[in-house]
Amino acid sequence: DGGITQSPKYLFRKEGQNVTLSCEQNLNHDAMYWYRQDPGQGLRLIYYSQIVNDFQKGDIAEGYSVSREKKESFPLTVTSAQKNPTAFYLCAVGPGTSYNEQFFGPGTRLTVL
Amino acid sequence: GNSVTQMEGPVTLSEEAFLTINCTYTATGYPSLFWYVQYPGEGLQLLLKATKADDKGSNKGFEATYRKETTSFHLEKGSVQVSDSAVYFCALSSETSGSRLTFGEGTQLTVNP
Repeated sequence: DGGITQSPKYLFRKEGQNVTLSCEQNLNHDAMYWYRQDPGQGLRLIYYSQIVNDFQKGDIAEGYSVSREKKESFPLTVTSAQKNPTAFYLCAVGPGTSYNEQFFGPGTRLTVL
Repeated sequence: GNSVTQMEGPVTLSEEAFLTINCTYTATGYPSLFWYVQYPGEGLQLLLKATKADDKGSNKGFEATYRKETTSFHLEKGSVQVSDSAVYFCALSSETSGSRLTFGEGTQLTVNP
């Protein structure tokens, strides 16, 4: 079992602290993506990676950082530079080529107090 | 660039009513088209897809037909249930977007008993 795992489901942090969100997959897909979703809003792409040791900025990369050291893992760090970090964060995976769908994890809800 | 426009929500229906959620797109060439569903507090699930003109995607009683002439991919269901209450996202992938998906803003559907 498994598929795409995001942990934890809920995360609380104090303002000014960095926090790292986990995303792991066992679907053997090449590409991984991080999205941010605010209440009642659509999805905005933060970062994506199509191959190990390489990643690209999405539309709202400021205040975030990522790494892709293993095919199975794509952690997202929300830094203290991110002005409004409270949101629902979704990880997705896919083949990494045009015309194909992405598959989403269950999400992590981050609340910064 | 690519864009997806969904009908504005929220949409409220009674159980067993007919559902249509409109989706139109702008893209070069022949994109692949997708509908995703998001239940409260969860990630997105792929509901159905179509990869070429006149294709009909279907799943769980939902259908959508890829209409190249009207650049549309409207989601329909003949008889909705309370359990269909969720947010529905239309999305596309094309050669020009690489592995990225372009999403609509989402349409909130509430089905009352």
